[in-house]
Amino acid sequence: EADIYQTPRYLVIGTGKKITLECSQTMGHDKMYWYQQDPGMELHLIHYSYGVNSTEKGDLSSESTVSRIRTEHFPLTLESARPSHTSQYLCASRGLGAGELFFGEGSRLTVL
Amino acid sequence: DAKTTQPTSMDCAEGRAANLPCNHSTISGNEYVYWYRQIHSQGPQYIIHGLKNNETNEMASLIITEDRKSSTLILPHATLRDTAVYYCIVRVGDNDMRFGAGTRLTVKP
Repeated sequence: EADIYQTPRYLVIGTGKKITLECSQTMGHDKMYWYQQDPGMELHLIHYSYGVNSTEKGDLSSESTVSRIRTEHFPLTLESARPSHTSQYLCASRGLGAGELFFGEGSRLTVL
Repeated sequence: DAKTTQPTSMDCAEGRAANLPCNHSTISGNEYVYWYRQIHSQGPQYIIHGLKNNETNEMASLIITEDRKSSTLILPHATLRDTAVYYCIVRVGDNDMRFGAGTRLTVKP
């Protein structure tokens, strides 16, 4: 079993609210990722980190921001949520080299 | 990383082998072939990966052609729980993972 956890699993909020999606892993992995996926659609890489104090934007432009203050923790924040942010957000991590990617169970966000 | 091409969807009878093809004609010598699957809307799950030799584990077998331009993931005895979207990904060892559209496999009773 992968030791990567996301909270909340489901969140329904109103427009304009600030939200933070939490992601934690206990495997000591340096590399962590956030993917965004709409129902029935492809996964898109929106943020990644190669270690503490390292964050980069992914392929899909996102209004969210991330931080990496601790190795095990990689939260994603939306300062002002909008209906267009409604989606599933998946967090993943992996070790160095050709290692496999471990995913959390996802956070499904609905913005009304 | 090389681009991959997979069929959009496939069906398979329960208990039969499911053979999922993937074309990666622009693959380079140091790129691995990875397979993941996503059941419903859960996070993708790693299945298997290989460089040039065929690989087998408890979940599946990976057959890579000699020229490495294509591969096939084999689920030897498909069950209803194998219904999922299967992603074939090619990447250099330490690069990041990009997912395409994948193949939607439906296992039918």
